[in-house]
Amino acid sequence: SQTIHQWPATLVQPVGSPLSLECTVEGTSNPNLYWYRQAAGRGLQLLFYSVGIGQISSEVPQNLSASRPQDRQFILSSKKLLLSDSGFYLCAWSSGGDEQYFGPGTRLTVT
Amino acid sequence: DQQVKQNSPSLSVQEGRISILNCDYTNSMFDYFLWYKKYPAEGPTFLISISSIKDKNEDGRFTVFLNKSAKHLSLHIVPSQPGDSAVYFCAASERNSGGYQKVTFGTGTKLQVIP
Repeated sequence: SQTIHQWPATLVQPVGSPLSLECTVEGTSNPNLYWYRQAAGRGLQLLFYSVGIGQISSEVPQNLSASRPQDRQFILSSKKLLLSDSGFYLCAWSSGGDEQYFGPGTRLTVT
Repeated sequence: DQQVKQNSPSLSVQEGRISILNCDYTNSMFDYFLWYKKYPAEGPTFLISISSIKDKNEDGRFTVFLNKSAKHLSLHIVPSQPGDSAVYFCAASERNSGGYQKVTFGTGTKLQVIP
């Protein structure tokens, strides 16, 4: 069966510090991968998606970047965090269909 | 521009009664609709979906209705149980120019089922 992992589960970082969140998927090959952010009181906002290694599409301009160094690994990064980057970050995968399967999420607090 | 709207941020229902969660959308290119359930500090889990060629899909206690002319869908939970208490996200999907199925989520409705 397929599983998706995210770490860390929670993170507190000062403004201006770098960020690296990692997501890995097991049990499937060549998944579509996604990064979402859920800000307080808001819905899920798609940040990035990837249909293959090295292929990243950005949905919104922002302070973040994403990379896919391996087929089942998706990384969300920032060089300098802003207060507005605080939120709940979710990684998801799909097999190309409409249903997406989410990881447990990372709660990021920028202080 | 919020293309998928859930106008009720919260809903309280007595155990055993019906819960009805509503969702409206504006993009006529959406061709697939989904509902996700989310508990605090966890990722959303897929609940039920419906294709735009159907108007109803049922899975146990959960039924999704789609009214394309009104651009409206709803999720019915009957009977509601305390374990159903969670945030429910409506989502809509369209195939974009790159052949990728893009999913847009609503802002969520927090359902509380009172024992």
